[in-house]
Amino acid sequence: QKEVEQDPGPLSVPEGAIVSLNCTYSNSAFQYFMWYRQYSRKGPELLMYTYSSGNKEDGRFTAQVDKSSKYISLFIRDSQPSDSATYLCAMSGAEYGNKLVFGAGTILRVKS
Amino acid sequence: GAVVSQHPSRVICKSGTSVKIECRSLDFQATTMFWYRQFPKQSLMLMATSNEGSKATYEQGVEKDKFLINHASLTLSTLTVTSAHPEDSSFYICSASGGLAGANTGELFFGEGSRLTVL
Repeated sequence: QKEVEQDPGPLSVPEGAIVSLNCTYSNSAFQYFMWYRQYSRKGPELLMYTYSSGNKEDGRFTAQVDKSSKYISLFIRDSQPSDSATYLCAMSGAEYGNKLVFGAGTILRVKS
Repeated sequence: GAVVSQHPSRVICKSGTSVKIECRSLDFQATTMFWYRQFPKQSLMLMATSNEGSKATYEQGVEKDKFLINHASLTLSTLTVTSAHPEDSSFYICSASGGLAGANTGELFFGEGSRLTVL
């Protein structure tokens, strides 16, 4: 079993839709949870960073962490074609130092 | 967010030659840098952790003599692919942490990546 599971998609939605991206994990030691967006042939860009459980909102993006269920989500409201990219969840914890454990990434396509 | 610059963005080389990729933290001091490899439509695979002034720590299965990593200063780490072969063709990405960029929090900032093609 992988430490972090993420559906690779692709996920296709119409412009304006609410997008829900998710990851599950197995190691309860994870404390830091991140979402990265990666455009084709580019490096990942940090979108959201959350410590422990709870919600965090930034513009059209909302990150949720449920440590009891070992489940994290990224919601994108009013999705735009420019949101089309691969979204990678990543997590870390004290026992990992600054190493990140990545999900496989979900390909999102927003159609106009 | 913090800026990490990677150079070159694309390189093509002949089999048997060596290629050096640079990773620079532009607005912060990076005590730790990470090198990843990414195959098409796959996630990032951590190759090694580079700490300023000390030897890099390689992940299992990564040849340290093949992928030489140097982290001589707090703003620069280099990855040299020695005697490159076609199977080394990949997308190499660096990331950095440390100081104001998020020391010990797992918050990493990534370079733009370098696409290596070995003919």
